[in-house]
Amino acid sequence: KQEVTQIPAALSVPEGENLVLNCSFTDSAIYNLQWFRQDPGKGLTSLLLIQSSQREQTSGRLNASLDKSSGRSTLYIAASQPGDSATYLCAVHGGSNYKLTFGKGTLLTVNP
Amino acid sequence: DTEVTQTPKHLVMGMTNKKSLKCEQHMGHRAMYWYKQKAKKPPELMFVYSYEKLSINESVPSRFSPECPNSSLLNLHLHALQPEDSALYLCASSLFAGGSYEQYFGPGTRLTVT
Repeated sequence: KQEVTQIPAALSVPEGENLVLNCSFTDSAIYNLQWFRQDPGKGLTSLLLIQSSQREQTSGRLNASLDKSSGRSTLYIAASQPGDSATYLCAVHGGSNYKLTFGKGTLLTVNP
Repeated sequence: DTEVTQTPKHLVMGMTNKKSLKCEQHMGHRAMYWYKQKAKKPPELMFVYSYEKLSINESVPSRFSPECPNSSLLNLHLHALQPEDSALYLCASSLFAGGSYEQYFGPGTRLTVT
């Protein structure tokens, strides 16, 4: 059974800092990995999708990497802003089923 | 347009009520999903529809009844719910089910069962 772990559970940083969020998964037989952002009480916004054959994806200040063999992904946020404050969820899509398996998320607070 | 819409935004219902949640997408996606999310927990898959047919039911109680009347619309019919069913209900869609397709989520319906 796939398990996804996100570290740290919570992170508080000053504005302007670069930061890294970590995601690990137990079964490397995945199709892809998605990073989402969720604001309190809201839906999920897809940030980046990395296919299993890819090593990284970039969108603006965000860069996500994937090391499938070691079961790890990182989300790098450059020059953080208060508007980046949210919960960041990592989810893997594995095998022949349709299921996204989510981590519990990292709650990010960027202080002005 | 990469938007999934959900109505209503909020719903309060008693345990004897019957209500429905609605989800719509116009991206031409052929897979649609219902997830349930409790506070401070990750989303949990409930149902998957592929080409308007139910593909996966994650052992969800029968008081939740999904329906996919056409490729753009997904409903979740609610009847005789319990207070523990209070949660954020999220709809998602992807081009096809399974494989390597990105899932797009709606804003959710906040359900409170009294």
